[in-house]
Amino acid sequence: DIVMTQSPDSLAVSLGERATIDCKSSQSVLYSSNNKNYLAWYQQKPGQPPKVLIYWASTRESGVPDRFSGSGSGADFTLTISSLQAEDVAVYYCHQYYRPPYTFGQGTKLEIK
Amino acid sequence: QLQLQESGPGLAKPSETLSLTCTVSGGSVSSDNNYWGWIRQPPGKGLEWIGNIHYSGSTYYNPSLKSRVSISVDTSNNQFSLNLSSVSAADTAVYHCAKSTPNSETYLSTWFDPWGQGILVTVSS
Repeated sequence: DIVMTQSPDSLAVSLGERATIDCKSSQSVLYSSNNKNYLAWYQQKPGQPPKVLIYWASTRESGVPDRFSGSGSGADFTLTISSLQAEDVAVYYCHQYYRPPYTFGQGTKLEIK
Repeated sequence: QLQLQESGPGLAKPSETLSLTCTVSGGSVSSDNNYWGWIRQPPGKGLEWIGNIHYSGSTYYNPSLKSRVSISVDTSNNQFSLNLSSVSAADTAVYHCAKSTPNSETYLSTWFDPWGQGILVTVSS
């Protein structure tokens, strides 16, 4: 299985400041034939299901604010929120869909400082 | 707009079989070669993929659960279902159903979107 490890487990950031969450996979999720990274990021607010923010490691889902961005390749990825808003308080998960069994990171809880 | 809704008992007894159904509205389980999946989340914990089914009926499961899991699709009622046998307290979780768009290169599933709201299933005698 591909193990996804996120850091940190929790993060407190001031409103308007940058938040950065890292995700490492135990093996590369870059598919060489199309040069795509098979990685997505989700946001989960309390009492709600996860919502996809980013797929192919850096493609923002339609309707997702442009303060959210994804970067990285191979086995190291980052989700960045450029200017934290109150509504961004949530748990964030990375997810590899390179190979089943599909796996998720353990989650990073983002709070306001 | 595609919507998914889980239904089923919220309580299961140890050693019995947990059965859940996901009803799809605003679209068809037979359309666009989509995959339909189940993902669970123990209370206060992270996400675990259970398995996927293609509308054609082909399935693939998480090996950690494979011996106990069965996923089926009912195109006439626009639903797909999960059966998990021999449940224990460790199977207590919120169970989500979700859609996954197939990847044109690998023909396997990709990210999950949208998700159902989820249903809490507690395993207890």
